[in-house]
Amino acid sequence: DAGITQSPRHKVTETGTPVTLRCHQTENHRYMYWYRQDPGHGLRLIHYSYGVKDTDKGEVSDGYSVSRSKTEDFLLTLESATSSQTSVYFCAISADRLREQYFGPGTRLTVT
Amino acid sequence: DAKTTQPPSMDCAEGRAANLPCNHSTISGNEYVYWYRQIHSQGPQYIIHGLKNNETNEMASLIITEDRKSSTLILPHATLRDTAVYYCIVRVRGTGNQFYFGTGTSLTVIP
Repeated sequence: DAGITQSPRHKVTETGTPVTLRCHQTENHRYMYWYRQDPGHGLRLIHYSYGVKDTDKGEVSDGYSVSRSKTEDFLLTLESATSSQTSVYFCAISADRLREQYFGPGTRLTVT
Repeated sequence: DAKTTQPPSMDCAEGRAANLPCNHSTISGNEYVYWYRQIHSQGPQYIIHGLKNNETNEMASLIITEDRKSSTLILPHATLRDTAVYYCIVRVRGTGNQFYFGTGTSLTVIP
């Protein structure tokens, strides 16, 4: 299995609070991604990174920001969490833009 | 954007081949077809990918039609551990490398 960890694995937070999810990889892959998964929607791309400090928006980026200060870490921040952001969040990595992506174990976030 | 269509669910007897179809009629010439699966509550797992030729690895075979408008993932000898949601994905043309994950096919392997 690809060396990808996500933290925390579970989190419950209140509406309006900031939340940061962390993805850490040991594969030295250039590309990293954040997806969310909701019933009936499959997985949807939030943001991705193609290098240190290089990021771009995905399909559902509103309400989320990301940062990548070093190759191994990709952070997803909800500046002010809302109940609509209750979801399971997956991080993924790939060696380049055309290669397969490998996914982490996921973070289950509940916003009350 | 090339999107995919898959049946929502399928059953397969244990030990038999599972054939999962996918339609991607708007696929572009340089877009690859990828297959992933997701076992309950786990992260998606990469299975196989291809451009226009058939591909095989230790997990599965991928058959892509000559016109590339559809493909079939074959699990040659399905086991109970193959019960999962299977996603057929085509890379989206544009900046970066977005994958479009649809709702997939829920495969149930029956003892």
